[in-house]
Amino acid sequence: GENVEQHPSTLSVQEGDSAVIKCTYSDSASNYFPWYKQELGKRPQLIIDIRSNVGEKKDQRIAVTLNKTAKHFSLHITETQPEDSAVYFCAALGNNRLAFGKGNQVVVIP
Amino acid sequence: DTEVTQTPKHLVMGMTNKKSLKCEQHMGHRAMYWYKQKAKKPPELMFVYSYEKLSINESVPSRFSPECPNSSLLNLHLHALQPEDSALYLCASSLKPGTNQTPLHFGNGTRLTVT
Repeated sequence: GENVEQHPSTLSVQEGDSAVIKCTYSDSASNYFPWYKQELGKRPQLIIDIRSNVGEKKDQRIAVTLNKTAKHFSLHITETQPEDSAVYFCAALGNNRLAFGKGNQVVVIP
Repeated sequence: DTEVTQTPKHLVMGMTNKKSLKCEQHMGHRAMYWYKQKAKKPPELMFVYSYEKLSINESVPSRFSPECPNSSLLNLHLHALQPEDSALYLCASSLKPGTNQTPLHFGNGTRLTVT
């Protein structure tokens, strides 16, 4: 089945700086790549997603890039704010299932 | 506000108890999911219902029994659980299942503790 690796496991950034989280996937047939944000004690919430026919997608301070050849995709958060502190999960759809990465703890330091 | 509603929010049960988790959505989604999430871990898929039929069972022990009474409701019946089953149980839904999967919408979860 699909295997998703997510790096780094933790990331600390100064408020206002950018944060980048990278994920790799194994199944070249995977065609859908969502990113979820989970704050402590809360549910995972979709923040952005991208399909395999698109290379980049942006929504305000958040962007996702996809490199199908290299089988990796990245989340970019610009002008980080304290409320961006959370665990971020990447995922890839393969074999009718979403495979999640292990998650990345992002800490924004005021 | 969440569009996927789960009850109860918290549940404590003994190993001999029988309990049920409930999930409801009114977005017209035709795929519904149960996930289990341990602390500091990603959600782990348990079951998928597509058009009210069980389509995926990720080799989940029989002490967990899913049920989909209609397109809006999803239950998870629990019996003879073990302490290691303590976790956050998340329900999710999506407009379509499978390779045309649209975004997953998660509920707030049920925090289950097995004593």
